[in-house]
Amino acid sequence: AQKVTQAQTEISVVEKEDVTLDCVYETRDTTYYLFWYKQPPSGELVFLIRRNSFDEQNEISGRYSWNFQKSTSSFNFTITASQVVDSAVYFCALSDLNTGFQKLVFGTGTRLLVSP
Amino acid sequence: EAQVTQNPRYLITVTGKKLTVTCSQNMNHEYMSWYRQDPGLGLRQIYYSMNVEVTDKGDVPEGYKVSRKEKRNFPLILESPSPNQTSLYFCASSRLAGDRADTQYFGPGTRLTVL
Repeated sequence: AQKVTQAQTEISVVEKEDVTLDCVYETRDTTYYLFWYKQPPSGELVFLIRRNSFDEQNEISGRYSWNFQKSTSSFNFTITASQVVDSAVYFCALSDLNTGFQKLVFGTGTRLLVSP
Repeated sequence: EAQVTQNPRYLITVTGKKLTVTCSQNMNHEYMSWYRQDPGLGLRQIYYSMNVEVTDKGDVPEGYKVSRKEKRNFPLILESPSPNQTSLYFCASSRLAGDRADTQYFGPGTRLTVL
């Protein structure tokens, strides 16, 4: 069965600090997708990134970067020079061949609090 | 603007009173889905639909119904709501890439309280 674990329930940092949000996943499939979504205090879910299982290249988008390592089944998310606007709950999610990619399996989320 | 809309955004109701939460998307997506979000559990899929008149159960379908009569709409129906259905509900949609759902885009959420 598929599973996504976000062991960090809550992280507090001060503005300009770098922070890494951990995501560990489980799947028996070799073909799968990994996602990160952001849920700001307003409540909506904002798509951040999708990565497929055959592409282990790390990705950088501005202050955001993602480290995908199949050897450790991890897809970690780093925010560089954090800002107050980064305060949100961040969800890691997985979809795989076993479920026909019909659903997202979410982790329980990590709440990030960035204080000024 | 490409978006998924949900109505109502907030709803307080009483046990047993039937309700419908509407979901509509303007992106011509084939795939639509409903999730519920509960503290400590993340989001869990309730139902999904691959196209018009094609729906299937997700992980937590008990107590819910859906229909997909039009491509753009995917209402969630609670025929006899109970307090354990108090939750934050999200509708999502995506295009299909072959037989696979692509990246799912979510609506703003509906916060439901059942007393």
